[in-house]
Amino acid sequence: DIQMTQSPSTLSASVGDRVTITCRASQSISSWLAWYQQKPGKAPKLLIYKASSLESGVPSRFSGSGSGTEFTLTISSLQPDDFATYYCQQYNSYFLTFGPGTKVDIK
Amino acid sequence: QLQLQESGPGLVKPSETLSLTCTVSGGSISSSSYYWGWIRQPPGKGLEWIGSIYYSGSTYYNPSLKSRVTISVDTSKNQFSLKLSSVTAADTAVYYCARRGVDTAIPDWGQGTLVTVSS
Repeated sequence: DIQMTQSPSTLSASVGDRVTITCRASQSISSWLAWYQQKPGKAPKLLIYKASSLESGVPSRFSGSGSGTEFTLTISSLQPDDFATYYCQQYNSYFLTFGPGTKVDIK
Repeated sequence: QLQLQESGPGLVKPSETLSLTCTVSGGSISSSSYYWGWIRQPPGKGLEWIGSIYYSGSTYYNPSLKSRVTISVDTSKNQFSLKLSSVTAADTAVYYCARRGVDTAIPDWGQGTLVTVSS
C-alpha cells in the first residue's frame, strides 16, 4: 500500500497570507497526485490533479507542485473562503489513498 | 451535468450488512471512461477509499476492508451499490459515492450519507 502523510496537520493563518501544505508518499507516485478542499458537512472538492493541473473553475491562487514522493499545495493569498481542510490523494494505482488532512483555520 | 445520489438506511445494527446505492444521472454508468467508487469519512476524521468498480465489472477494494466489501453495478438502473458486512461502530461514517476517470482524480462526488452503526 502507498501511504500518504501531510504536514502540518493544522495551520493558523490570516487573510492575505501565503500558505503551503506538504504531502509525502511512501513510494514514488510520479505525478499522480490530487488535492481536495473540504468544508464541514460538504463533499470534498477537487482543486488540483496530476500534481500541478488546476481543475476547471478553481481560482488561480491555488497551485500545486512536485513529483515522485514530495508535493506541495500553495495558496498564494489566503481568502476567507479558503478556511477549510485540505487532503492530498494518490492515484498511482487502482488502490487510492488519502493523506490525513491539513486544517487551515483563522489565526 | 453529472449527479450522484446516495441512498440507503441511516442506521444499521452491529454485525449486520450495510447496503447503499448510488444513482447516477446526467451520465451513463456503462461508459468505458470511468470508475465508480465509494469513499467514507468517520465523524471528525479523514477520508478513506473503500473501493471502485469499472463498467466491465472489475473491482478494486481497499485491502483493509476487502474481506467485507462488495461493490456491484446495475447498468439497467444506472446505479452502483456498496455492501459492507459484519459492521461495527467503527464503520459509522459519512459514505460518499464518486466517479473518477481512468488515470484521473475524483472530480465528481455525491453529497454523502451518514450511516450509524448502533443497536
